[in-house]
Amino acid sequence: ETGVTQTPRHLVMGMTNKKSLKCEQHLGHNAMYWYKQSAKKPLELMFVYNFKEQTENNSVPSRFSPECPNSSHLFLHLHTLQPEDSALYLCASSQRLPGTSYNSPLHFGNGTRLTVT
Amino acid sequence: AQSVTQLDSHVSVSEGTPVLLRCNYSSSYSPSLFWYVQHPNKGLQLLLKYTSAATLVKGINGFEAEFKKSETSFHLTKPSAHMSDAAEYFCVVWGSQGNLIFGKGTKLSVKP
Repeated sequence: ETGVTQTPRHLVMGMTNKKSLKCEQHLGHNAMYWYKQSAKKPLELMFVYNFKEQTENNSVPSRFSPECPNSSHLFLHLHTLQPEDSALYLCASSQRLPGTSYNSPLHFGNGTRLTVT
Repeated sequence: AQSVTQLDSHVSVSEGTPVLLRCNYSSSYSPSLFWYVQHPNKGLQLLLKYTSAATLVKGINGFEAEFKKSETSFHLTKPSAHMSDAAEYFCVVWGSQGNLIFGKGTKLSVKP
């Protein structure tokens, strides 16, 4: 049990489908992240939420749409994806101190392996 | 700007022999550095962290890393490799924007 739970573990979808990835953290953290891990590329930060507010969007295409209804849950809504979007999508959480640059190490979930056909 | 460079994409050792995974960093101020490990089809697990306290940092599973400012290095070591250590290891630095900056990873293979 990592404290960060992602579902589903595996997902195969066609380019016209709509699906959502879910992430839940049980650590009481106040920041949540989506990362994309593709083969032979460094981890790419996609989105950051602090206290449920999106604070970073790393030029991610609009076919990826994040949602953070509360500080424990994070979703990534997917629609009209491309085959190059196939990757491992990792959710993470951390504890940030407001008004400071302090941030605890990130805790990661086991990821969702996404295949776009 | 902060960055990390992992000098080896793949390291192979025999079980029971020492492990050395190399990482150099670049930072305009005293960095916070981490090593994460990723086993196949798993997420990333924090091995250890350096946050300007002791320069020799001990982590889980017998791993440790030494922060050397003069060499801008943060190499990961373990005295004796175990088969279960086979995984991918990432050297990571906190960026000035409050984000994590990952190295490209080093795959560690352990031969029986």
